[in-house]
Parts: sequence; structure tokens; C-alpha cells
Amino acid sequence: AQKITQTQPGMFVQEKEAVTLDCTYDTSDQSYGLFWYKQPSSGEMIFLIYQGSYDEQNATEGRYSLNFQKARKSANLVISASQLGDSAMYFCAMREGRGSNYKLTFGKGTLLTVNP
Amino acid sequence: DSGVTQTPKHLITATGQRVTLRCSPRSGDLSVYWYQQSLDQGLQFLIQYYNGEERAKGNILERFSAQQFPDLHSELNLSSLELGDSALYFCASSAGLAVNNEQFFGPGTRLTVL
Repeated sequence: AQKITQTQPGMFVQEKEAVTLDCTYDTSDQSYGLFWYKQPSSGEMIFLIYQGSYDEQNATEGRYSLNFQKARKSANLVISASQLGDSAMYFCAMREGRGSNYKLTFGKGTLLTVNP
Repeated sequence: DSGVTQTPKHLITATGQRVTLRCSPRSGDLSVYWYQQSLDQGLQFLIQYYNGEERAKGNILERFSAQQFPDLHSELNLSSLELGDSALYFCASSAGLAVNNEQFFGPGTRLTVL
């Protein structure tokens, strides 16, 4: 079973509107972290936002916020006031806390296109 | 700029050859991770080092090896290269091993095997 599922291969949004990118995860660990990364066409991976499994508040970083619903095992990224520069691939990733499993497991990504 | 550097940025080589990819982590980060991004497999974890020691292994082929040196830079060695090894190879670093430690990615090395 996939550990990270991003069901939207592509999304379109109008400039200045908000958009939600979906992410569901699968883990039996109590301690884990959820991350979102942005990959523009230039290829680099840019860290956006982090949510810990024990965090009671949803994480926010500027225009990015994470809608964390633990019971549903979802960690959706919300981008407010979209800008043309937000057009990129977005990856959800999870880091589980058990044992020596320190890797990030990534979803397949969502390609976001912001239209003017 | 994440503070993680990778060289070279691009690498073109032939099947059967051997290459070395180099990574310097952010200042102060002890942990280095290697990931491979390909169109068919997506982003996959290869291997992790912490302060010079191997800590975790992912889907790394036997033809691939890595090490982390005393100055904390890391090298990923790929040998007997095949066409399917063509991919973007990322190095990432983090300060420690806590679950909430962010991993900062380098710009990647794009490997093309002809």
C-alpha cells in the first residue's frame, strides 16, 4: 500500500484564488512528520511547511497552511492568493518516527498551474 | 538557496561507466540523505548517513555505494551504469535525526546515461 497518496495529478487555479492540494497518508506510528515540498521547473526541491503528528494547531507559513485531519490521515496543503510563481510540482512527504527509519517517503506529486 | 551544494549539476556518460556525485550539507548539519527522482519511480530514498555512519538504506542498488567523510561531505558512487539509471539525484541534509527535522535539498545532479 502506498504510504503517501496524492490523488490530483494536475490542478489549475486562477491567480489570486486559493487552492487545496490533497494528501493522505498511511502509518501505524504515533510519532510522524508531514512535509510539503515545491519543485519548480528548474528542478530544485523547496521545503514549504511541516506538521507534526502531535501538533494540535494546523501549521502555517505565510501563504501556505496545512489542513491536518489526523483521524482521516490527511494533510492537505492550502495555498492562498495564488501567484504565477506558484506554478510547480508539489510533493507531500512523511517521515515516520519508528526505529531508524529516517527517510522521507514522497507521494507522486501534483502539478499546479496558476493561470493569469 | 538551501545551503546544500551538489556537484556536478549535469553529468552525461555512457553505459557501463562509473560516476561520483558529490554533496556538501548545510553548515552544522550532520545527516545526509540521497534520493533518486525518475519519471517512472518518482522520488525514492537511497541511503542516509549521520556523522559519518550509515543509518538507513532504501532502494539502493548494489552497483551504487555512498560514504560520508569526516568533513561531513558525502559522495554517491554509481557504477556499471545502465540506461535506467538516468535520473535526477538529490542530496538533502538535516540537523539531526528527530522526526521533525526538516530536510533541505540540494539543487540535484542530473545524470544522463547514453
